[in-house]
Amino acid sequence: AQTVTQSQPEMSVQEAETVTLSCTYDTSENNYYLFWYKQPPSRQMILVIRQEAYKQQNATENRFSVNFQKAAKSFSLKISDSQLGDTAMYFCAFMVNTGNQFYFGTGTSLTVIP
Amino acid sequence: SAVISQKPSRDICQRGTSLTIQCQVDSQVTMMFWYRQQPGQSLTLIATANQGSEATYESGFVIDKFPISRPNLTFSTLTVSNMSPEDSSIYLCSVEGGNFNYGYTFGSGTRLTVV
Repeated sequence: AQTVTQSQPEMSVQEAETVTLSCTYDTSENNYYLFWYKQPPSRQMILVIRQEAYKQQNATENRFSVNFQKAAKSFSLKISDSQLGDTAMYFCAFMVNTGNQFYFGTGTSLTVIP
Repeated sequence: SAVISQKPSRDICQRGTSLTIQCQVDSQVTMMFWYRQQPGQSLTLIATANQGSEATYESGFVIDKFPISRPNLTFSTLTVSNMSPEDSSIYLCSVEGGNFNYGYTFGSGTRLTVV
């Protein structure tokens, strides 16, 4: 079975500072994909960043980067230079390469403080 | 990536009634997915809808309660039947966007309140 754990229900960060959101997962698969999705109050699920398990290099997208530790099954999200618009619920998600079902974590509510 | 139009965005319904949620995609996609997000919870997959075949339901979800239609490669509906207050949730559709490199795209969600 695949599980995704986000151990931080809520976090806050000062504007322009850096924050790291944690995510761990459990799987016996070797080929899979990891995602971070952002859900602002508008409810729209927005893809923030994606990581393929076979790639050793950590993915980056502008101010967003991940620390992917395959052996530890850890996939944390770092947000640099936090902006007020980053305030949202963040979901870590996992997908096996051979399937199409997302397994979502329970989410981390991030608040950026002016 | 694909663009999804989901409607209605919200509705308040009486218990015992049914609501049909629609998702329209701007491109042809093989698979469409329906998720439920209960208040304060994460997303849970309800079913996977393929065009031309019956939807595949996850454990805990049945066709009589959540019938799904998939008449073509750009459209799907999810009906929440015989609603009770426990069905109050956000319902979202999702597609693979035709190119995995773009990730999966979600609709904007339907906030359902059953009174």
